[in-house]
Parts: sequence; structure tokens; C-alpha cells
Amino acid sequence: AQKVTQAQTEISVVEKEDVTLDCVYETRDTTYYLFWYKQPPSGELVFLIRRNSFDEQNEISGRYSWNFQKSTSSFNFTITASQVVDSAVYFCALTLTSGTYKYIFGTGTRLKVLA
Amino acid sequence: DTEVTQTPKHLVMGMTNKKSLKCEQHMGHRAMYWYKQKAKKPPELMFVYSYEKLSINESVPSRFSPECPNSSLLNLHLHALQPEDSALYLCASGRLAGEGDTQYFGPGTRLTVL
Repeated sequence: AQKVTQAQTEISVVEKEDVTLDCVYETRDTTYYLFWYKQPPSGELVFLIRRNSFDEQNEISGRYSWNFQKSTSSFNFTITASQVVDSAVYFCALTLTSGTYKYIFGTGTRLKVLA
Repeated sequence: DTEVTQTPKHLVMGMTNKKSLKCEQHMGHRAMYWYKQKAKKPPELMFVYSYEKLSINESVPSRFSPECPNSSLLNLHLHALQPEDSALYLCASGRLAGEGDTQYFGPGTRLTVL
């Protein structure tokens, strides 16, 4: 069975702190894709990153970075020098290559960045 | 440009009303999706259209009726809804409707059923 676990339900940090959001996934497939989305209070899910299972390179985009480790089935997301605008719910998702278009979402982590 | 638009932003309807939600994308994407999201939960897939044909129906009750008039438009017709259908309805589109397809979401319609 496939599953995505985001164990942190809610995190609060003070502006300029670094914060890491955890994502652990389960799948027996060798080929799969992982995603992160941001959902601000307005409701829209904003695409942040897509990573396939064969690409274990970490990625940095501005203040955002992602650490993909197949050995621990984790795809963690770090925000450096957090800002109030980073306050949102963040979802990690998994899709497979077995003919389904379905995202398997984690339950989300609500991040609150306090000024 | 990765814009998906949805109208209306908010909708309040009675259980006997008929209404429609609209979604539009102009990115040339050939896959379009409807999701339902309850508060504090992740989105749940309802329907997938691939090349304007319904390819997945996640056992959604018939009071929800999707329609894809062309490759840019997706509608969700609502009839005889129940209060528990109140939720955020999200539309998304994707290039390929295949493995690893990135889905781009619209801002959603917040539906309240009285």
C-alpha cells in the first residue's frame, strides 16, 4: 500500500527562523514521483517541486530546499529565514507509475510564522 | 503561465437547487481534475478528464455531474446536494494525465449547502 505521512500537524516559528517540514512515504514501486504543494489561506494549492525516484539530488530554490533520501523514504522541505508570507498548509504527495493519476496526499503541516 | 481559474469563488445553495462550478485553463493541458477538500484535510480526487473524456470517477455520488465541453473548460454540475457536501472544490489541470504529471490548481470554490 502507498502512504504519505506528515507527522507534524502544526508548527509555529518566529520570523527568520529556519524550519523543516517532514514527509515520509511508503511504496513498493521503484518508480514514483514526489511533490510539495503550499496552500495559503486563500485556498489555492501552489506547486513547489516535483521529484522522481531516480533523482536524489537535493534542490535549492531561493529560501526553499528539499532533501530527498530514498534510504529513509523521506522528502523533507526546509524554509530558511522564514517569513510571515510562508504561513500556510504544506502538503507532500506521492504518485506512482502504475496507470493511476492519483495523488496520495499527506495530511498536511500547518506552518505559522509569527512576526 | 500556470493559471487555472474557477468561478464562482463562493457559492451558497439550498438542497433543492441546481448550480454549476466552472473551471478554465489556457495552458494547453489535456488533463483536468476535480477535487473536494474538507476543512483540515487533504484534497480528495473526484474526477479526471483526459483528452476531454472522463477517465476516472472516484465513486462520486450522481448528484455531482462533471462535464468537459472542450479542452479548456471543465464544469461540475450540482443537484440535490446535502449539507455534508459543503467544502472547497478545487479544479486542477495537467499536461499529460500520466505518470508523474504535475497538477496545477485553481483557487477553488467554497461551497456551502444549507
